Amino acid sequence: GENVEQHPSTLSVQEGDSAVIKCTYSDSASNYFPWYKQELGKRPQLIIDIRSNVGEKKDQRIAVTLNKTAKHFSLHITETQPEDSAVYFCAASMNRDDKIIFGKGTRLHILP
Amino acid sequence: DSGVTQTPKHLITATGQRVTLRCSPRSGDLSVYWYQQSLDQGLQFLIQYYNGEERAKGNILERFSAQQFPDLHSELNLSSLELGDSALYFCASSLEPGQGNYEQYFGPGTRLTVT
Repeated sequence: GENVEQHPSTLSVQEGDSAVIKCTYSDSASNYFPWYKQELGKRPQLIIDIRSNVGEKKDQRIAVTLNKTAKHFSLHITETQPEDSAVYFCAASMNRDDKIIFGKGTRLHILP
Repeated sequence: DSGVTQTPKHLITATGQRVTLRCSPRSGDLSVYWYQQSLDQGLQFLIQYYNGEERAKGNILERFSAQQFPDLHSELNLSSLELGDSALYFCASSLEPGQGNYEQYFGPGTRLTVT
């Protein structure tokens, strides 16, 4: 079955710097890749997603890139701010069966 | 507030017991998803319902079952509970099924502690 690996498990960056979180997936049939942000004690929230027919997607300070050949996708956060501190989860899904597999999460700390 | 409600907020029970978690989707949403979040396993998709019918199954144990009722609320039943079932259980809803077709809105979660 599908497996999603996420790295790093913890990431600390200086406020204003960029943060990059990387994920790899195993099933080449996966075609939908969402990213969720979960603040401490709160519910996961979708922050950006990408489909397999697109290589990159941007939304203000957040961007996601997808390399289908290498089966990896990444989340890029630029000009990080204190409110970016949270746990971020990547995930992969195949439309045909609606299952979704999550990475183990990355705890992002924004240092003042 | 996402509009998805879950009850109870916290639940403490003993091993071997059975519990029922309840979820009310956002008004108008037909699809409900259940997820389990534990420290060692991370976030896992359990099961999805659409308009009363089971649509997709993830890593749901045989001791667990779920259903969606005609009023679209859903219940997740966990039986023969083990210590390892302690986790945060989230429900999410979306207008229609299909991961990525419509945004999923997560409820606040039910924290289950098995002692």
